[in-house]
Amino acid sequence: ETGVTQSPTHLIKTRGQQVTLRCSSQSGHNTVSWYQQALGQGPQFIFQYYREEENGRGNFPPRFSGLQFPNYSSELNVNALELDDSALYLCASSRGIPGRMNNEQFFGPGTRLTVL
Amino acid sequence: AQTVTQSQPEMSVQEAETVTLSCTYDTSESDYYLFWYKQPPSRQMILVIRQEAYKQQNATENRFSVNFQKAAKSFSLKISDSQLGDAAMYFCAYRSGGTSGSRLTFGEGTQLTVNP
Repeated sequence: ETGVTQSPTHLIKTRGQQVTLRCSSQSGHNTVSWYQQALGQGPQFIFQYYREEENGRGNFPPRFSGLQFPNYSSELNVNALELDDSALYLCASSRGIPGRMNNEQFFGPGTRLTVL
Repeated sequence: AQTVTQSQPEMSVQEAETVTLSCTYDTSESDYYLFWYKQPPSRQMILVIRQEAYKQQNATENRFSVNFQKAAKSFSLKISDSQLGDAAMYFCAYRSGGTSGSRLTFGEGTQLTVNP
């Protein structure tokens, strides 16, 4: 157990709907990163939040958005869901300044999103 | 952009034997970090071992060790005395050494089966 929690565990939505996924970071961690892992593939970086500001974004459209709160927990919002958005969504929290070696990322168990 | 390639979709090993998982990467950066993560069926991504590119010495963590060949851009993982609990999906990952962010770039993964 890493201390990073995600909710919900599983979620089923229909195409066109909107979804919000939540992540609670490990105590003392100020950075949260989100990844999308399609079935049978490696995780793909969506974006990262450091001290409530977006600090880097992967190749994902604007309908993927996020927030980080003062307690460093985070949300991932996806609008206008598409079938290809079906995946495991992982969040990872870390401490310190992004990019430094001691900035190890600790992953949560993920949220499995199915879009029908 | 950096890429990570794992050419072995599946590997198997007998319990107590040794297995090596391969990983190659492509980058133009000189400062970076490499990681091996393990993802069991529980889906939680667990850090196995990490290597700083500026270090010539190969990292070792108990039964896990790496063979880091910087010039060849190769980063293999050796698991000695394999145990049933080692069965999982293994991902090789790259992270830039810059402070602009700490996104991880993952390979496609290698599914490791440990036979009793």
